[in-house]
Amino acid sequence: GAGVSQTPSNKVTEKGKYVELRCDPISGHTALYWYRQSLGQGPEFLIYFQGTGAADDSGLPNDRFFAVRPEGSVSTLKIQRTERGDSAVYLCASSLGGGNTEAFFGQGTRLTVV
Amino acid sequence: KQEVTQIPAALSVPEGENLVLNCSFTDSAIYNLQWFRQDPGKGLTSLLLIQSSQREQTSGRLNASLDKSSGRSTLYIAASQPGDSATYLCAVHPGSSNTGKLIFGQGTTLQVKP
Repeated sequence: GAGVSQTPSNKVTEKGKYVELRCDPISGHTALYWYRQSLGQGPEFLIYFQGTGAADDSGLPNDRFFAVRPEGSVSTLKIQRTERGDSAVYLCASSLGGGNTEAFFGQGTRLTVV
Repeated sequence: KQEVTQIPAALSVPEGENLVLNCSFTDSAIYNLQWFRQDPGKGLTSLLLIQSSQREQTSGRLNASLDKSSGRSTLYIAASQPGDSATYLCAVHPGSSNTGKLIFGQGTTLQVKP
């Protein structure tokens, strides 16, 4: 597709369950980012991939959060033992190169933990 | 630690008015600054990217300026329209990082009344 695609658009899960959120970046973009946005706040950085490797995972809040990008394209954000505080919109972005080139965002996945 | 602040948090103006949104950042060492638009329940749309060596960028009715030394950026919207109603987010690529991580402000929610 022409833009960054995220699935699902909405996800409701019970506390303690495991969830996976998927991101398809723009074709040819080597850099991929995950952000989390709580209501009324700006997005907060979680993790950055350059190709297949996580170049910066300093924003992951704890070890329940993990992300992969095995083939350097699609990425999956994985959350174990979900908590109500994990409820937020999870945004994915990609950019053409690494470093500080322009980032393009997907529509986000709204995660609700009940 | 880089922090980004946007003032005001909310703004309501009549249609046709010219307006300015403000963004300030605490560390002047940035690679670039990006302005985004976010519609309710949607992802982010990139509006303008200003490189650290530039003073301003223009796109249609939008003009963004950057004053690195004072840690400020403004987004000027000319002849506002109801369709401009959205949340506008400012984000910087901090100079301490070459990973493309964006630091966001909390946004300014704009309402343009017909």
